[in-house]
Amino acid sequence: EPEVTQTPSHQVTQMGQEVILRCVPISNHLYFYWYRQILGQKVEFLVSFYNNEISEKSEIFDDQFSVERPDGSNFTLKIRSTKLEDSAMYFCASIAGGPMREQYFGPGTRLTVT
Amino acid sequence: QQPVQSPQAVILREGEDAVINCSSSKALYSVHWYRQKHGEAPVFLMILLKGGEQKGHDKISASFNEKKQQSSLYLTASQLSYSGTYFCGTEMGSGGSNYKLTFGKGTLLTVNP
Repeated sequence: EPEVTQTPSHQVTQMGQEVILRCVPISNHLYFYWYRQILGQKVEFLVSFYNNEISEKSEIFDDQFSVERPDGSNFTLKIRSTKLEDSAMYFCASIAGGPMREQYFGPGTRLTVT
Repeated sequence: QQPVQSPQAVILREGEDAVINCSSSKALYSVHWYRQKHGEAPVFLMILLKGGEQKGHDKISASFNEKKQQSSLYLTASQLSYSGTYFCGTEMGSGGSNYKLTFGKGTLLTVNP
């Protein structure tokens, strides 16, 4: 069964460093998302991406964040200068689109900023 | 605006039933239910589109009351494997083509032997 994959599973970085989180969505899916979950809290929407551009972003997704689909398979989230409060699980999700609205999540990347 | 889930937590014995509710003050197009186990990704359970349809598989089912903008998830004859946090994710308005989900805070379900 196709699934969303994410790498790395855990990333430890120092405050101020740049990180890139990688995702490979399900191959025939057209809509891609990044969500964040701080430990013990709800899943929060960060950004949606379709047709090689951002379709919507939340107030969390400030200038320090960017997303890219550099090739036909990868979908990346970059945080330019990490802060302590960026520590969270980051989930990538994808949807086929059209009548297929089910959103499938990847296993997540745990980001720890020290 | 995030949906409101209730209860926040529920403890069951194996074989008991539970109902988890998800309500919104805004008009909804769809409600998605997920289960998340500790340290893992949310796993998709089911989606309900506006129109009030009920869905289910195995002993887990859900309904969507469009008039009340409320969805309920029904777990019957609970099993130990049902333990986890249940989230509803809502899609607002007319549905459109963004498919963005707004999640509730979750309901922690614990099933004991």
